[in-house]
Amino acid sequence: NAGVTQTPKFQVLKTGQSMTLQCAQDMNHEYMSWYRQDPGMGLRLIHYSVGAGITDQGEVPNGYNVSRSTTEDFPLRLLSAAPSQTSVYFCASSYQGRYTEAFFGQGTRLTVV
Amino acid sequence: ILNVEQSPQSLHVQEGDSTNFTCSFPSSNFYALHWYRWETAKSPEALFVMTLNGDEKKKGRISATLNTKEGYSYLYIKGSQPEDSATYLCAPGEKLTFGTGTRLTIIP
Repeated sequence: NAGVTQTPKFQVLKTGQSMTLQCAQDMNHEYMSWYRQDPGMGLRLIHYSVGAGITDQGEVPNGYNVSRSTTEDFPLRLLSAAPSQTSVYFCASSYQGRYTEAFFGQGTRLTVV
Repeated sequence: ILNVEQSPQSLHVQEGDSTNFTCSFPSSNFYALHWYRWETAKSPEALFVMTLNGDEKKKGRISATLNTKEGYSYLYIKGSQPEDSATYLCAPGEKLTFGTGTRLTIIP
């Protein structure tokens, strides 16, 4: 049982480049979300999805896009990377969102130079 | 943006001592309150999900209480051990937005 899998684990981008962070879960969870971890800020919610075809913005959505074409996958796209997007990104999933525990991936460390 | 406050921001506790910290949140439109434990260089792991006013949950030496009417939850750790060193996060609300956490360090 793989749980929540994020790829890649590490990535270095140049300013202005685009890329997609992948997140997949094999637990048939409806709710998936993306967070970024910044020093002193804890985990901040970027985007979330309550099911296939449905996405919504979190606390810090600017500069990021998401889509949810399947229950299993929830990719996060950086449209034009900026140094301010240097962070560790976590994907999480849960069976019923707010009412059930979330399971986190191992994180993706992104550096934008 | 949901206003979630956790206090204290950091805490140093002697091994064997008990400790507790607080998560404060708006009492209106309450859905559920999550507690997570986050060790350095790892991913957050769920401790508790609490939904009812007066709820008390326990996992080993760690327990939590919930007061939805006044908007707070307490996390208690009894007889702290070095492996309890971590950041403890709470997340109330609809969208699972987190507070900045309480960083706990156990001094051997």
